[in-house]
Amino acid sequence: NAGVTQTPKFRVLKTGQSMTLLCAQDMNHEYMYWYRQDPGMGLRLIHYSVGEGTTAKGEVPDGYNVSRLKKQNFLLGLESAAPSQTSVYFCASSWTSGSSWTYEQYFGPGTRLTVT
Amino acid sequence: RKEVEQDPGPFNVPEGATVAFNCTYSNSASQSFFWYRQDCRKEPKLLMSVYSSGNEDGRFTAQLNRASQYISLLIRDSKLSDSATYLCVVGQLSGTYKYIFGTGTRLKVLA
Repeated sequence: NAGVTQTPKFRVLKTGQSMTLLCAQDMNHEYMYWYRQDPGMGLRLIHYSVGEGTTAKGEVPDGYNVSRLKKQNFLLGLESAAPSQTSVYFCASSWTSGSSWTYEQYFGPGTRLTVT
Repeated sequence: RKEVEQDPGPFNVPEGATVAFNCTYSNSASQSFFWYRQDCRKEPKLLMSVYSSGNEDGRFTAQLNRASQYISLLIRDSKLSDSATYLCVVGQLSGTYKYIFGTGTRLKVLA
């Protein structure tokens, strides 16, 4: 099993450009998440999905959009990149059963994005 | 006040030392607790889940104190390879479920 994979690993964008980050998991997890990690701050949730075809906003959703057309994939889009979106982006997935949320998250290797 | 707080460190300890980290959380309704390890420029990886009864995995022991709202991680006989950032993560159900991450505690084990 590959676990959680992310593409690309690195990217440099100019202000105003757009891009899509791809996350894929092969663990049949229902839940998937996109986080950003900035120096001195904990991981912050951007968007998440509790199943195929469903998405929801997290703590810092502005400037990002997501889609979950297939259970194994979760895409994060930046429509018009800004320097404030320079960060490391992590995707994660987890399994859950009913209303139980005690399961750990598995993370992808991250995407380092720089917006100039 | 941050929802999950950790001492950022760094904790510099010699090999073989015992080191303890604490993490406090503000939401008494928090349901699940984890310690993750994050190496420089890598993704977080689960170190251990934390249960009310406490749990041990080799040299690592985690404790949960719900009354005082903190969790702890004890590392015995530190190895050079333990050098990393340790993230405290709390799961909460408040309308919707979410995981709240602490900013991490840096540990450097010195030869």
